[in-house]
Amino acid sequence: RKEVEQDPGPFNVPEGATVAFNCTYSNSASQSFFWYRQDCRKEPKLLMSVYSSGNEDGRFTAQLNRASQYISLLIRDSKLSDSATYLCVVNIDTGGFKTIFGAGTRLFVKA
Amino acid sequence: DAGVIQSPRHEVTEMGQEVTLRCKPISGHNSLFWYRQTMMRGLELLIYFNNNVPIDDSGMPEDRFSAKMPNASFSTLKIQPSEPRDSAVYFCASSSSQGPTEAFFGQGTRLTVV
Repeated sequence: RKEVEQDPGPFNVPEGATVAFNCTYSNSASQSFFWYRQDCRKEPKLLMSVYSSGNEDGRFTAQLNRASQYISLLIRDSKLSDSATYLCVVNIDTGGFKTIFGAGTRLFVKA
Repeated sequence: DAGVIQSPRHEVTEMGQEVTLRCKPISGHNSLFWYRQTMMRGLELLIYFNNNVPIDDSGMPEDRFSAKMPNASFSTLKIQPSEPRDSAVYFCASSSSQGPTEAFFGQGTRLTVV
């Protein structure tokens, strides 16, 4: 079983739609959580951290459920520029932090 | 403020040749990661270092792969001998265990083995 699992998609949505991505992790020693965004042929970049209380950054909302080992990302009013791959990321405490990425969910936003 | 610097950006080599990829992490970061990305397997963690010490190399595919971090500002990933199935984008990332722990990536090395 992979340490971080995501639905690979692709998700094809029209502009203005709301779309949600889910992610599960298997290691209970996971300490911190993130969503990254990766554009085609580019490096992954941090989109937002994920906190137990849930957090919002503009049109983006991230949620964490430690009991279920589940992370989500909600994008409201999606834009063409949101088209990318979204990667769920988990830091596992091993003395240092081991950073594990999910395989990513591809999003295509259409006009 | 310089980010993670990787070189070369692109590498084309013949099967059997030695390939060395280089990475300079962000100054002050004490964790360094090497990842490999392919369409089939996504982003795989190969090895990571904490304070220049290899902590987990369970992702290194086989003995042809080796990584070193001789000091806090430099790391190498070596493939010897290279094979066509090693063709991928190799990313280096660094992070700090103090404060925000997100990883910052270099632009990657696109390796093609022919």
